[in-house]
Amino acid sequence: EVQLVESGGGLVQPGGSRRLSCAASGFTFSTYGMNWVRQAPGKGLEWIAYISGFSTTMYSADSVKGRFTISRDNAKNSLYLQMNSLRADDTAVYYCARDPDGSFDLWGQGIPVTVSS
Amino acid sequence: QLVLTQSPSASASLGASVKLTCTLSSGHSKYAIAWHQQQPEKGPRFLMKLNSDGSHNKGDGIPDRFSGSSSGAERYLTISSLQSEDEADYYCQTWGTGLYVFGTGTKVTVL
Repeated sequence: EVQLVESGGGLVQPGGSRRLSCAASGFTFSTYGMNWVRQAPGKGLEWIAYISGFSTTMYSADSVKGRFTISRDNAKNSLYLQMNSLRADDTAVYYCARDPDGSFDLWGQGIPVTVSS
Repeated sequence: QLVLTQSPSASASLGASVKLTCTLSSGHSKYAIAWHQQQPEKGPRFLMKLNSDGSHNKGDGIPDRFSGSSSGAERYLTISSLQSEDEADYYCQTWGTGLYVFGTGTKVTVL
């Protein structure tokens, strides 16, 4: 089955760190760019980071630049998001999304991250 | 600046049609977009990629009731024969070098 499954979310204290994972299956992972997108409670979708198939290109949104790092391990068919210096406004559901050409043609189910003391 | 503009809400009766609009910012009228559906308490689902000439590629399993079209800087999503499960938020999304942008979403209510 073609799917993406996120894990690693939960409650984190302000200033803390967390690493999210996204396990891919059912397709040739290395041939796709991948993204992380988040959605704060009651808000819309916000793109936060992109990585190309062989990790040669990475982009991130200004809101997370210098704090969040996207990476991938094609041998494990996995995508990661290392989140440091977490703030209350990082509280959101985090989604990974497959990117064949700029469009996001496959989404995970999402994983919630709550930043609170 | 690459921006997508969507109306906050739309509504139509069960079995009727509704047409949603996503407008690209000035200077970006040739950009392709994607449409995504987000049903309540669920993750987004890819509906289609829509090009500036109106051609579109739908995601796997997306019903024929969903269609896309384009005119200038406007990109449209038409949902025909509305079903109760079509009640959802609909987001358009586009991309440029080094960035990806979402519209603010349109909430569709099925009356």
